Amino acid sequence: GENVEQHPSTLSVQEGDSAVIKCTYSDSASNYFPWYKQELGKRPQLIIDIRSNVGEKKDQRIAVTLNKTAKHFSLHITETQPEDSAVYFCAASETSYDKVIFGPGTSLSVIP
Amino acid sequence: DTGVSQNPRHKITKRGQNVTFRCDPISEHNRLYWYRQTLGQGPEFLTYFQNEAQLEKSRLLSDRFSAERPKGSFSTLEIQRTEQGDSAMYLCASTPLGGSDNEQFFGPGTRLTVL
Repeated sequence: GENVEQHPSTLSVQEGDSAVIKCTYSDSASNYFPWYKQELGKRPQLIIDIRSNVGEKKDQRIAVTLNKTAKHFSLHITETQPEDSAVYFCAASETSYDKVIFGPGTSLSVIP
Repeated sequence: DTGVSQNPRHKITKRGQNVTFRCDPISEHNRLYWYRQTLGQGPEFLTYFQNEAQLEKSRLLSDRFSAERPKGSFSTLEIQRTEQGDSAMYLCASTPLGGSDNEQFFGPGTRLTVL
């Protein structure tokens, strides 16, 4: 079955700096790669996703890249703000309505 | 509130007791998913339904766990003879079928503590 790995497990950046989280997946059948943000005590919320027919996607300060050949995908957050502090999960799925396999998470702290 | 709802939000039980959780998905969402999240980990897939049909169960789901979605709307997850290792946050999510831009919307979760 699918296995998603994620690095780093914790990340601390100064406000205004960029943050990068990297993930790998194992199942070549995966075609949908969502990223979720989970604040303490709250539910996971989708922040951006990318499909296998696209190499890069951007939404304001957030961008994701996908290398399907290498089975790597990454999340880039620019101009970080304290409210970006949370746990971020990468994930993989065959489609957006199949079961989602999550990575172990990255705890991001943005220091004011 | 038109989001996914879950009840109860918290459940404390003694080892060996049975517990049941309920999930109400967003109206007309065909697919409903159950995940389990332990502290410091990502959600783990347990099972999912398309309407009333249970399409897949994870190997994590022992025979003490059973899930139903009898009318294709709300779903229940029952854990029999609870063990301390069952302590976790149980998350429900739903999504509509069809279209090209679906996401899974998560509920607030039910936090289970087994003493």
